[in-house]
Amino acid sequence: GEDVEQSLFLSVREGDSSVINCTYTDSSSTYLYWYKQEPGAGLQLLTYIFSNMDMKQDQRLTVLLNKKDKHLSLRIADTQTGDSAIYFCAARNAGNNRKLIWGLGTSLAVNP
Amino acid sequence: DVKVTQSSRYLVKRTGEKVFLECVQDMDHENMFWYRQDPGLGLRLIYFSYDVKMKEKGDIPEGYSVSREKKERFSLILESASTNQTSMYLCASSPGGVHTGELFFGEGSRLTVL
Repeated sequence: GEDVEQSLFLSVREGDSSVINCTYTDSSSTYLYWYKQEPGAGLQLLTYIFSNMDMKQDQRLTVLLNKKDKHLSLRIADTQTGDSAIYFCAARNAGNNRKLIWGLGTSLAVNP
Repeated sequence: DVKVTQSSRYLVKRTGEKVFLECVQDMDHENMFWYRQDPGLGLRLIYFSYDVKMKEKGDIPEGYSVSREKKERFSLILESASTNQTSMYLCASSPGGVHTGELFFGEGSRLTVL
């Protein structure tokens, strides 16, 4: 079935770039999303990319999509301690387009 | 800003009790969702609704029901709570069409069933 996979943990130093990776299985995924969850809070949408795009940049965030390999990445430039959170990748396919397929989340720890 | 409000941040209930979790959104979104979040299992969709009085089962609907009598309100009901329903429950809403996947989440309701 459809699946989205992410590595579970990432640790970086403050000021470095963070790269969080995600792979998905459904080639008909039309939109791919990155959500952020801070401790004790709900999720918030960070950014998303449409499947006909290769890259999307939004301030410190860069999303890269390799559709051939079904690989998505989120790069956070100049990572700050406030970026410490869990980052979820999610995919939405053209068929059942109200449901998102979620990864398990990558816990990002930013060390001073 | 879109706001999704969940009625209770923390609840403690006893096995067998009926539990209501309420969620209200203020942006006239057509879609509303209930998820549960458990360590190591990520987010799992319980039910969603795309219109008033309309509902669809998600991936884990057993033991739950929902109600959407008004567009802004989506309730999750545990008819007879069990200990394996101890979890964090997250409500979300989204606009329709191409923006369907742009979910706005509430702060979550942490339910403990004793």
